[in-house]
Amino acid sequence: DAGVTQSPTHLIKTRGQQVTLRCSPKSGHDTVSWYQQALGQGPQFIFQYYEEEERQRGNFPDRFSGHQFPNYSSELNVNALLLGDSALYLCASSPGTAEAFFGQGTRLTVV
Amino acid sequence: AQSVTQLDSQVPVFEEAPVELRCNYSSSVSVYLFWYVQYPNQGLQLLLKYLSGSTLVKGINGFEAEFNKSQTSFHLRKPSVHISDTAEYFCAVSDKVRGGKLIFGQGTELSVKP
Repeated sequence: DAGVTQSPTHLIKTRGQQVTLRCSPKSGHDTVSWYQQALGQGPQFIFQYYEEEERQRGNFPDRFSGHQFPNYSSELNVNALLLGDSALYLCASSPGTAEAFFGQGTRLTVV
Repeated sequence: AQSVTQLDSQVPVFEEAPVELRCNYSSSVSVYLFWYVQYPNQGLQLLLKYLSGSTLVKGINGFEAEFNKSQTSFHLRKPSVHISDTAEYFCAVSDKVRGGKLIFGQGTELSVKP
């Protein structure tokens, strides 16, 4: 059984560009959450999707948006990239219980 | 709103010694509590969780944690550490809603020396 998979694993973007990160949840998990982890910090909650709708949102600007597809996979989009958006982006899936399973993350570097 | 404070940013310890990583939390509602481990360049792996019941929770790799409601703490312990336990450890809380968001502490870097 595959766990949570994220793609790509690494990418480099230029300031002002847009980026899309992808997440496939663990089989049977219908809830997907995204987190941003800056270097040396704990993960910060961006938003959560359930039944293709954004259910909760953290303190992130509207430049951060997302989507969940009928197969429960999800995308995170970031527009107008800033240097400060450089971080590890983590996707977590849950079957609706308290336990969340994390992917390996996507390392985004903005130059 | 919830918050989590991990009281030690770095904990150096010798192999086979005991270790305790400290975590305090603040919340106006009942919460679930978690400890995650992160190895270099990897995602987060769940070590253990407290949802209800016994306040002493056992997890993977020989770790355990004790929930203390009066002190709002959830400290992680291991009686004898190994070199392979070297990693970053995160304490987290979530409210008791379906798949609730996790609020993480800043992390504790555990460094096990031979």
